[in-house]
Amino acid sequence: EDQVTQSPEALRLQEGESSSLNCSYTVSGLRGLFWYRQDPGKGPEFLFTLYSAGEEKEKERLKATLTKKESFLHITAPKPEDSATYLCAVTGGSQGNLIFGKGTKLSVKP
Amino acid sequence: NAGVTQTPKFQVLKTGQSMTLQCAQDMNHEYMSWYRQDPGMGLRLIHYSVGAGITDQGEVPNGYNVSRSTTEDFPLRLLSAAPSQTSVYFCASSLGRRETQYFGPGTRLLVL
Repeated sequence: EDQVTQSPEALRLQEGESSSLNCSYTVSGLRGLFWYRQDPGKGPEFLFTLYSAGEEKEKERLKATLTKKESFLHITAPKPEDSATYLCAVTGGSQGNLIFGKGTKLSVKP
Repeated sequence: NAGVTQTPKFQVLKTGQSMTLQCAQDMNHEYMSWYRQDPGMGLRLIHYSVGAGITDQGEVPNGYNVSRSTTEDFPLRLLSAAPSQTSVYFCASSLGRRETQYFGPGTRLLVL
């Protein structure tokens, strides 16, 4: 069964304290792995797409990496405005629809 | 571009009532989809469409109906609302099924 698991469920950081969020997946024939940011009361906002193992993408304090089994979202020197829920999703498998993990809720305290 | 728009933002229904959640996109995307988001469950696919006139079921389709008469619009109909349909509903669109999906702002639905 195609599945996406995100850890931890929640993460509390101090401003400037770097860390990583994990997304592990099982899917036959990965076509793409997506990271989204979701603020309370809003829709998911697209961050990155990764297509193959070894690929990396960066945007400001965020860097996403991909291996054959998992992806990491590295947050360097986070700020309070980085507080949000980060969602990971994959496409692939027999139907190819987007499958989401349950998300990691990140809180960054000043 | 407005992107993906959804109306209404919030709705309260009584059990057994019907309603339509509206979704529109102005990016000329072929693929459109509806998700529901519940605490602890993540986003789950309800129905999707790969183009005008073509729809298919997702993971949790029961109690919902869709149609796609134009590229721009993809309404979601609740036939007879139940308390289990209390949720936040998101519409999304993309160039294709496996491409990056862009989400609307959501509709919060409460069924009493």
